[in-house]
Amino acid sequence: NAGVTQTPKFQVLKTGQSMTLQCAQDMNHEYMSWYRQDPGMGLRLIHYSVGAGITDQGEVPNGYNVSRSTTEDFPLRLLSAAPSQTSVYFCASRSTGTSYNEQFFGPGTRLTVL
Amino acid sequence: AQSVSQHNHHVILSEAASLELGCNYSYGGTVNLFWYVQYPGQHLQLLLKYFSGDPLVKGIKGFEAEFIKSKFSFNLRKPSVQWSDTAEYFCAVPMYSGGGADGLTFGKGTHLIIQP
Repeated sequence: NAGVTQTPKFQVLKTGQSMTLQCAQDMNHEYMSWYRQDPGMGLRLIHYSVGAGITDQGEVPNGYNVSRSTTEDFPLRLLSAAPSQTSVYFCASRSTGTSYNEQFFGPGTRLTVL
Repeated sequence: AQSVSQHNHHVILSEAASLELGCNYSYGGTVNLFWYVQYPGQHLQLLLKYFSGDPLVKGIKGFEAEFIKSKFSFNLRKPSVQWSDTAEYFCAVPMYSGGGADGLTFGKGTHLIIQP
């Protein structure tokens, strides 16, 4: 199993550009989520999904859209990038059940918005 | 929503020193607690977790943590650190108590540097 994969690893955007960060998992996990990591802030939840067709907002959802058309994929879209979205983005997934099930993280996407 | 705080943002130790990193959480009913580690340039990995039973939890690489309900704490410990323990350490709790469809709330992290 590849686990959780993310593409691209690095991306530089100009303010106002749009892009999609890809996330896929091959563990048949129902729960998937996106976090951003900023220095001194830890990780903050952007959006999450409990299954195909179902998404919900996390702590910092503004400026980001998500969709979940399949169990495997959970892309994160930036419609109009802003410098404040410069961050490292991590996708995570976990199996169904209780919240103490381990979340598996992808390798991250380092995004810079100029 | 539940919250978690980590007391030490930067810690520098010499090899073989003992380590204790503090973590406190807000009360929210069902208590599930995690410690994650992020080695330089890598993604987060689970060190250990607590969800019930023995309050002293053992994880990978010689780490352990003790859940103290009366203090709302879940401190991470290691008796003798190694240079390879240099990493960022995060304490985390489910965002909402009771489990279910939610993500994690992370502390701001502790950057641990082990000097040879």
